[in-house]
Amino acid sequence: GQQLNQSPQSMFIQEGEDVSMNCTSSSIFNTWLWYKQDPGEGPVLLIALYKAGELTSNGRLTAQFGITRKDSFLNISASIPSDVGIYFCAGLWPGGSEKLVFGKGMKLTVNP
Amino acid sequence: EAQVTQNPRYLITVTGKKLTVTCSQNMNHEYMSWYRQDPGLGLRQIYYSMNVEVTDKGDVPEGYKVSRKEKRNFPLILESPSPNQTSLYFCASSPGTSGYEQYFGPGTRLTVT
Repeated sequence: GQQLNQSPQSMFIQEGEDVSMNCTSSSIFNTWLWYKQDPGEGPVLLIALYKAGELTSNGRLTAQFGITRKDSFLNISASIPSDVGIYFCAGLWPGGSEKLVFGKGMKLTVNP
Repeated sequence: EAQVTQNPRYLITVTGKKLTVTCSQNMNHEYMSWYRQDPGLGLRQIYYSMNVEVTDKGDVPEGYKVSRKEKRNFPLILESPSPNQTSLYFCASSPGTSGYEQYFGPGTRLTVT
């Protein structure tokens, strides 16, 4: 099945640093979503992007829908310990099937 | 509280013994979906449903069945579980008939021996 290429796969940063991650695909997506998963819990939606070029913020998080519709990035500014978790990108498959395709995730560790 | 609930949260079973994992949402969402999460493979969609009595296969439907007889419930059925179905399973729901902005349940950890 189709999957998104998410990079990097993991990051170790110091508290206060900014972090950036991205997601690419060989296919066009109409919607990009970013999720965070805490240990032992289900993913929680962080940001949804619906239009090519769209830039959206949610507190310290900023995400952009790439102009080619084949990529998206997520930035976290001034990281804090509770940012630890796995971040997933997801794209809504444009073929009319309403399938959601996920990247493999980026594991973030924040050292206090 | 708006939520997606799954039961059981943990299940250990034996090969071939039929089981059902229940999923229920109280947000009146049209769209519901099942995923499995495996190390190194991320989240993969098993089945989804855009509305009552409408279901469709995701990326990894083999060995699973679903039904959507009422809007709030979307059970996942394993008729004859096998060890390769050992995984962490998530149910999700979304407003509207598309998969936008899915809200996930807490997960069910299944072990098949």
